[in-house]
Amino acid sequence: SQTIHQWPATLVQPVGSPLSLECTVEGTSNPNLYWYRQAAGRGLQLLFYSVGIGQISSEVPQNLSASRPQDRQFILSSKKLLLSDSGFYLCAWRRDTEAFFGQGTRLTVV
Amino acid sequence: ELKVEQNPLFLSMQEGKNYTIYCNYSTTSDRLYWYRQDPGKSLESLFVLLSNGAVKQEGRLMASLDTKARLSTLHITAAVHDLSATYFCAVDTPYGGTASKLTFGTGTRLQVTL
Repeated sequence: SQTIHQWPATLVQPVGSPLSLECTVEGTSNPNLYWYRQAAGRGLQLLFYSVGIGQISSEVPQNLSASRPQDRQFILSSKKLLLSDSGFYLCAWRRDTEAFFGQGTRLTVV
Repeated sequence: ELKVEQNPLFLSMQEGKNYTIYCNYSTTSDRLYWYRQDPGKSLESLFVLLSNGAVKQEGRLMASLDTKARLSTLHITAAVHDLSATYFCAVDTPYGGTASKLTFGTGTRLQVTL
């Protein structure tokens, strides 16, 4: 069966520090992968999308970037975090008509 | 720009009562998803609706899709406290080539009281 792993689960980072969140998928190949962010009490906003290694589409301009160095690995990064980057970050992958989400990373920028 | 609107945003209901959550969207799509989110947790898939007139039921929840009206509903029958959570609908739309993306509604926070 397919599983999606995300880490870390929680993270507290100071303003201006770098960020790296990792997502890996098991049990499938060449998945479509997504990064979403959920601000407190809000809906989900699509940040990045990838159809394959090195292929990244950005949904909105922001202080974040994404990379896909391997088929089943998707990384969300920032060189310098802002307070507004705080939120709940979710990795997702698509299979046919279904979409599965990782357990999420709660990021607090202080 | 696609807009996905849910109402109500907050719903407090007594156990045993019935209610419906509405999801309206502004573009053509024949795929709609419903998710449940518990506080501090990720999203749990509830239903995937793939065509006009689709209806799916699981326990006390039933979802339907009317693509012509661009409307989906999530009906709750005889609510129980365990259903307390936030419910999101998400519309599937093309996103370059053969890929697609999910655009989420604002969510409906359901609180079931004794």
